[in-house]
Amino acid sequence: DVKVTQSSRYLVKRTGEKVFLECVQDMDHENMFWYRQDPGLGLRLIYFSYDVKMKEKGDIPEGYSVSREKKERFSLILESASTNQTSMYLCASSSPPDVTYNEQFFGPGTRLTVL
Amino acid sequence: GQQLNQSPQSMFIQEGEDVSMNCTSSSIFNTWLWYKQDPGEGPVLLIALYKAGELTSNGRLTAQFGITRKDSFLNISASIPSDVGIYFCAGSNTNAGKSTFGDGTTLTVKP
Repeated sequence: DVKVTQSSRYLVKRTGEKVFLECVQDMDHENMFWYRQDPGLGLRLIYFSYDVKMKEKGDIPEGYSVSREKKERFSLILESASTNQTSMYLCASSSPPDVTYNEQFFGPGTRLTVL
Repeated sequence: GQQLNQSPQSMFIQEGEDVSMNCTSSSIFNTWLWYKQDPGEGPVLLIALYKAGELTSNGRLTAQFGITRKDSFLNISASIPSDVGIYFCAGSNTNAGKSTFGDGTTLTVKP
């Protein structure tokens, strides 16, 4: 059974803290994604990685960075958390588009609250 | 960037009713996908469409890829309580690794 796991389901942090959100996939997928989900705003892409050590900015990268040192792991970093980063964060992975029709497999999400 | 307009934003229906939702885009896509997100979980793929004009069914779900390649719809027939959740459309192009997602349709089904 294919799986994308995220390190925490719920996380509470303080303003100014450095926050790491971890995502691991066991499907040997090249592509990995971080999204932010807010009510009424759908899924907004923060960063995208198409290979180890390769990354591309999404629609809302400000305030975030990412790291992909191994194929199976993609980390989202909030350098200095702020209250407007309180949200649900979803990680996803997919095979290259010439293999599948871009189906993405999602983790269960991490609900982050920044106080 | 590309934008998808998904409607309606929310629906409150009675069990047994049919449901219809759609997505439109200002850009052409060569793949349309529909996902469902159950409460507390990540989205899961329901149906994928990769041919303009294609009509695909999956049980009580039917989806169509618009002939202009700028729109798609999803129908759910005879809704049941477990249909509750958020439905997302997504468009993508074969040579891009990523998809553009709609804002979602939140479905509530009253028993």
